[in-house]
Parts: sequence; C-alpha cells; structure tokens
Amino acid sequence: NAGVMQNPRHLVRRRGQEARLRCSPMKGHSHVYWYRQLPEEGLKFMVYLQKENIIDESGMPKERFSAEFPKEGPSILRIQQVVRGDSAAYFCASSPRSGRNEQYFGPGTRLTVT
Amino acid sequence: GENVEQHPSTLSVQEGDSAVIKCTYSDSASNYFPWYKQELGKRPQLIIDIRSNVGEKKDQRIAVTLNKTAKHFSLHITETQPEDSAVYFCAASWGGGTSYGKLTFGQGTILTVHP
Repeated sequence: NAGVMQNPRHLVRRRGQEARLRCSPMKGHSHVYWYRQLPEEGLKFMVYLQKENIIDESGMPKERFSAEFPKEGPSILRIQQVVRGDSAAYFCASSPRSGRNEQYFGPGTRLTVT
Repeated sequence: GENVEQHPSTLSVQEGDSAVIKCTYSDSASNYFPWYKQELGKRPQLIIDIRSNVGEKKDQRIAVTLNKTAKHFSLHITETQPEDSAVYFCAASWGGGTSYGKLTFGQGTILTVHP
C-alpha cells in the first residue's frame, strides 16, 4: 500500500511565478490536510479538504493561495505570484476519516523562491 | 483556537539515558494527541498517539502520558539510541466544527543522543 505521494519534491520559482504542488493521499483515504513548515520552525495548518470540498481553509492566506481536491486526481495547492516569504516545505497528510484519527504525511515539496 | 506549547526546545542526552518532552495545550475540547519524529529533510513520522479516554500508552521504548485536568501530555523515550536523534513534535487535535482533525503543532524539540 503506497504511502502519501507528493510531487514535485523540489520546486524553484522566480518571484511572480506560479507554484503548483500535488498530493496523492494513501489508498482509501479521502481527507487531505496541507501544512507549511518554514525553515527551523514547526508545522502550521493551512487547509483541510475532502473530495470536491474545502472544509477548513482558516490557515491559508486569503490572497494568492488556493487548494482543491477534485473527484479524480490529486489534491493541488496553488500559489500565485510567489514571493520570497513563500519559500518553505509544504507537506500534505491524509487520513481515512476526520476527527480523532492519525494523519500520515507525504515527503513534502520544498519550494524555493528566487 | 488551540495553542500548543512544547518544552524543551533542545535536549541532549547520553546513549542509554531517558528523554522526556512535555507539551501543554489550551483547548479542553482537544481529544487526540499524536507525536511525530522528523529527521533532517524528511517527512514527519507518527511514532505514537494517545486519545483523551486513555491516561498512558506504551510502545516498546516509547510512552506517552496524558493529564486532561492539567492539559498536558509528555513523551518518554527510554534507553535512548543515537538513531533517536531527530526533531520531535507534539500536536493536538480539536474535534469540533469544521476544524475536525486539524492538528496544531508544538514548536519542536531537537533531541541529540550522544554515543
């Protein structure tokens, strides 16, 4: 059973470009969470999605950031017009159902904005 | 919202010693408390978790205790080994409203085990 997959693992973008980060949850998991980890800091919640629904986006900046989890295909975190402060590791985690259940993390996408 | 405080920020022990990391949380509605281990450049790995209806849980050299009244929980690692060296994060999950399942993390503890 494959774990959570993320791609790309490393992404370099120039200021003003767009970044697209993909996350495929574990088989049988329908809940996806995105977290951001700034250098030498902890993980901060960004958004929680179920298939075709955004459940909680309270941790995601209102501008330039968006997320989706379509009926078919991976979840995508999209950052438009990237700035240097967006440089971080972005992790997604999946869970079989919401609530008090364990979340399994993907390997992360390390975004560098030059 | 939930706030999780973690101490210490760094911990250095000799191989074979025990290590203890403590976390406090603010929201009494939190009911799930996982611990993650993250090696440099790697993903956070779930190592143990505890739910609010349990006071203690053990898995080989790792144990977690939960005090709901005081709103704190701790990770205990016995007989530490150099491969235990990593950053450890505690987290709390609040089961309410649309935030169901969202994890709030502590700031992390850098554990170094010296051979």
